[in-house]
Amino acid sequence: DGGITQSPKYLFRKEGQNVTLSCEQNLNHDAMYWYRQDPGQGLRLIYYSQIVNDFQKGDIAEGYSVSREKKESFPLTVTSAQKNPTAFYLCASRLTSGTQQRTEAFFGQGTRLTVV
Amino acid sequence: GEDVEQSLFLSVREGDSSVINCTYTDSSSTYLYWYKQEPGAGLQLLTYIFSNMDMKQDQRLTVLLNKKDKHLSLRIADTQTGDSAIYFCAESPDGSSNTGKLIFGQGTTLQVKP
Repeated sequence: DGGITQSPKYLFRKEGQNVTLSCEQNLNHDAMYWYRQDPGQGLRLIYYSQIVNDFQKGDIAEGYSVSREKKESFPLTVTSAQKNPTAFYLCASRLTSGTQQRTEAFFGQGTRLTVV
Repeated sequence: GEDVEQSLFLSVREGDSSVINCTYTDSSSTYLYWYKQEPGAGLQLLTYIFSNMDMKQDQRLTVLLNKKDKHLSLRIADTQTGDSAIYFCAESPDGSSNTGKLIFGQGTTLQVKP
């Protein structure tokens, strides 16, 4: 079955450490996104990528980094520069090329990151 | 600018209808979406409406769109306890269609009391 997979589901980080969250999709979607979710604040866009080897900053990119070496994969690194990283992180993908007009986003199940 | 607003909380009794409201600012959006998020999970597409439609019905769900007021609503008939979740409204402004930049509201937590 096609889908989008995030791992791990839960992640604990010590202060000062970098951690990487995985996001893989087999939907052949060209665009991928990372969102951060905090209670009562909805979804905030961290980074997004439209094509391989290219990505753009979203609204809250500081303290995060990404790469897009393969179409299927869009890992997010939470660096030690991110001062308040405890949150729920959601990855999404979307088909934005071709003739299909309705291009809703498909989401992974999320990774809950906690700083200890 | 791009902005989507929703009320944060709605409580209803089982069997009643629920109405979740949303306002958006970008009139260029071709599609508007409703997503559902259950606790600890990702978002799932619930329904959508094309911008040239006023209403769309899908079983217990009815979406109403007022383009003049930039107002979108989701009505859930005969609300069940399994409908308890967070509901997100989202738009995709055409100006950013190539980026696929979906703009989400803050989410409305629906609580269904037995």
